[in-house]
Amino acid sequence: DAGVTQSPTHLIKTRGQQVTLRCSPKSGHDTVSWYQQALGQGPQFIFQYYEEEERQRGNFPDRFSGHQFPNYSSELNVNALLLGDSALYLCASSLGSGSAFFGQGTRLTVV
Amino acid sequence: GENVEQHPSTLSVQEGDSAVIKCTYSDSASNYFPWYKQELGKRPQLIIDIRSNVGEKKDQRIAVTLNKTAKHFSLHITETQPEDSAVYFCAASNPQGGSEKLVFGKGTKLTVNP
Repeated sequence: DAGVTQSPTHLIKTRGQQVTLRCSPKSGHDTVSWYQQALGQGPQFIFQYYEEEERQRGNFPDRFSGHQFPNYSSELNVNALLLGDSALYLCASSLGSGSAFFGQGTRLTVV
Repeated sequence: GENVEQHPSTLSVQEGDSAVIKCTYSDSASNYFPWYKQELGKRPQLIIDIRSNVGEKKDQRIAVTLNKTAKHFSLHITETQPEDSAVYFCAASNPQGGSEKLVFGKGTKLTVNP
């Protein structure tokens, strides 16, 4: 079982650009959540996808959007990147209301 | 919305001693409380979790206690070892509406000195 996998592991982008991050959930999991973790802070909830629909959203602007595919994998898109978007982006998967397991994250640096 | 406070922010213990990390939450409807361990540069790893129908849960050297009345829960690590050194995060979740959105504390950096 490969667990939750994310790609890429590191990314450097320029202000104003757009980025797409990808997540494959743990085998058997149907729910994917995305979190942003700034340095020295706890993860902050961005949104959650279930059955290809956004089920809940945190306090993030519309520049953050996502998608879930029929195979339960998910993408996080961020438009018009700001320096403050630099962070570790974590994907977590779960089955229904079960425990959430995290991927290794994508370290995004905006310059 | 839910707010989770975590204390202390740093904790240093000698190998073999016990470590206790405490969290409080604000939403009385929250009913799921996981703890994650994050080593430097690695993913948060679920180490133990508890649901609100249980007051205490143990797994070897790790235990979690929950006081629903006071809205606080704690992580207890006994016989600490250097490999327990990491940042520990508590979280709370209210799955009403079907979502398992986790609200995290700010973390506790635990250092176990040999």
